[in-house]
Amino acid sequence: SAVISQKPSRDICQRGTSLTIQCQVDSQVTMMFWYRQQPGQSLTLIATANQGSEATYESGFVIDKFPISRPNLTFSTLTVSNMSPEDSSIYLCSVAGKNSYEQYFGPGTRLTVT
Amino acid sequence: DAKTTQPPSMDCAEGRAANLPCNHSTISGNEYVYWYRQIHSQGPQYIIHGLKNNETNEMASLIITEDRKSSTLILPHATLRDTAVYYCIVRSYGGATNKLIFGTGTLLAVQP
Repeated sequence: SAVISQKPSRDICQRGTSLTIQCQVDSQVTMMFWYRQQPGQSLTLIATANQGSEATYESGFVIDKFPISRPNLTFSTLTVSNMSPEDSSIYLCSVAGKNSYEQYFGPGTRLTVT
Repeated sequence: DAKTTQPPSMDCAEGRAANLPCNHSTISGNEYVYWYRQIHSQGPQYIIHGLKNNETNEMASLIITEDRKSSTLILPHATLRDTAVYYCIVRSYGGATNKLIFGTGTLLAVQP
């Protein structure tokens, strides 16, 4: 199994600012994903982070708001830009396992925007 | 990917089997049924997956109906630590994206 760490684990930010969340995996993985989980809700896929190319965003999410980097096969960042209280959520990094059928999730970053 | 329908919540007595149903009537031939769970304040955890045969591992059993339009996840001896939201997801295997799309899930509350 893959071990995923995220930094920070939680943060409180002021509206209008930006926060970059880091995701580190202990092994090389093909696929990395970013999800958002709003309070009391299920997980929503934001984008697929592609190594060496631009991320692929899901409907309703745009690069200007959620820029993503993936410089190598073990690391990715998600930035939440120009934050508003509606961005208060848990942001989770996820990777596709070696056998492809299993997907692992990080512990999440709990973001509160005031 | 096909959509799934799950009851919003279920209760189960500790030590008894928990049977969590899922409907996926629009599932196509190359789509698998996956189950994940999310314990409070943690990332989702993979439980099991299957195509058309019943599957069992150390955590649970997955029973898929012959027409593949529904399935049941069985936790044989539920414990308090099994209290979580359980997600049934239908997804095609392989391909360019391999992404998981989550529905609303079932909140399983295991009672002492």
